[in-house]
Amino acid sequence: AQKITQTQPGMFVQEKEAVTLDCTYDTSDPSYGLFWYKQPSSGEMIFLIYQGSYDQQNATEGRYSLNFQKARKSANLVISASQLGDSAMYFCAMRGAGTASKLTFGTGTRLQVTL
Amino acid sequence: GAVVSQHPSRVICKSGTSVKIECRSLDFQATTMFWYRQFPKQSLMLMATSNEGSKATYEQGVEKDKFLINHASLTLSTLTVTSAHPEDSSFYICSARDGAFAEAFFGQGTRLTVV
Repeated sequence: AQKITQTQPGMFVQEKEAVTLDCTYDTSDPSYGLFWYKQPSSGEMIFLIYQGSYDQQNATEGRYSLNFQKARKSANLVISASQLGDSAMYFCAMRGAGTASKLTFGTGTRLQVTL
Repeated sequence: GAVVSQHPSRVICKSGTSVKIECRSLDFQATTMFWYRQFPKQSLMLMATSNEGSKATYEQGVEKDKFLINHASLTLSTLTVTSAHPEDSSFYICSARDGAFAEAFFGQGTRLTVV
C-alpha cells in the first residue's frame, strides 16, 4: 500500500520569499513516481512537477523544485520567489509502476502568499 | 502539457434524476482515465479506474450501480450519477494518462449540486 503524508495544513509566505511544502511517502514498490499538483479555488488540478524514483537529480520546473531525499522518503516542494497567484492548495501524490497504477494523494497544504 | 476537457463544469439537478459528466483527452489517446470525488477542504478520493473497452475498476465502497462509468473510446470517458441524491453533491474530477507520459492530466472538474 502507498501512503502520502503532508503535515502542514496551512502555510504563509511573504511575496518574493521561498517556501517549502513538506511531503513524506511510504511504499513497498521499488519503482514509483512522485507528483505535486496545485489546486486554486477554481478547482482544477494543475500539474507542477514530477520526480521518478530512479532519477538521480532533483526535478526543477521554473520556480518549482522538488527536494527528493529517497532515504528519508521525502519529496518536498520548494517554491522560489513566491507570487500572490501561488496562493492555493498543494497536493503531493505518488503512484507505482504501470500505466494503470493510480495516484495516491496527500491531504494537501493550503498556501497563502501575503504582501 | 496534454489537455483534458471535462464537461459540464457546474450542474444542478433535481433529486432522483441522473447526471452525465464527460471527460475528454483532446490531444492524446488515453488508455486509462480516473474518476475522483472531492469533498470541501479534503483531498481527492479515487472512485474508479476506467480502461478503454473494458469494465471500470471501482474502489472499495463506491457503488458501481450508482456511478456508471463508460470508456467507449480512447478519448472519452463518462461518469453517470444515477438517481442522484443531495448526498451525491460534490466536486467530481477526472484525469487521463497516456502510457507514454508519467503525468496524469486533470479535467477542470464538475461541481454537482443535487436539490
